[in-house]
Amino acid sequence: DTGVSQNPRHKITKRGQNVTFRCDPISEHNRLYWYRQTLGQGPEFLTYFQNEAQLEKSRLLSDRFSAERPKGSFSTLEIQRTEQGDSAMYLCASSLGGGQVNEQYFGPGTRLTVT
Amino acid sequence: AQSVTQPDIHITVSEGASLELRCNYSYGATPYLFWYVQSPGQGLQLLLKYFSGDTLVQGIKGFEAEFKRSQSSFNLRKPSVHWSDAAEYFCAVGAIGGYQKVTFGIGTKLQVIP
Repeated sequence: DTGVSQNPRHKITKRGQNVTFRCDPISEHNRLYWYRQTLGQGPEFLTYFQNEAQLEKSRLLSDRFSAERPKGSFSTLEIQRTEQGDSAMYLCASSLGGGQVNEQYFGPGTRLTVT
Repeated sequence: AQSVTQPDIHITVSEGASLELRCNYSYGATPYLFWYVQSPGQGLQLLLKYFSGDTLVQGIKGFEAEFKRSQSSFNLRKPSVHWSDAAEYFCAVGAIGGYQKVTFGIGTKLQVIP
């Protein structure tokens, strides 16, 4: 399967701990996105990479959140000092760049529960 | 700013009945519109998309959607619903060009009864 993959699929952590999630995009895709989805809501944009450059961050991305895409391939999303309000599904998507319309392909998500 | 409204949070239909899920968008220029489906515990799967051309677009799994600029709507339809269609459906709007940040609606949960 050459789709977008995310690890881990589920993470339970205690408040105050740090967590890191990984996303592996479709190999030829140079654009990578992170979204957060809370219960009863649609996904909300967090941040976007083109190759290794992080080009936009949402106001939702507080200073406890950091994302990297060091070699323009996989990406990591780290949350420091987790809070209960961080409990959500974190979705990664990738797309080809360069055209006017490039659909985003989503991974299965990482469900975070902060206790 | 772009936004999407899905007025129906939850819809129940009988298997074999027709389905229409409503979506209204707000965007200052020509939008790029999508419908995604999400099964429990799963990621999002693209059903169909529209950015130009024929305003009636066909998607996977027998779904279609019609873009109506005058009504700022992009409603999803299916003539005959199957039990396997039970899922959550998200309408989304994106920008044409640029990096295409996508804004999602809150979703419509579809229940199918036998």
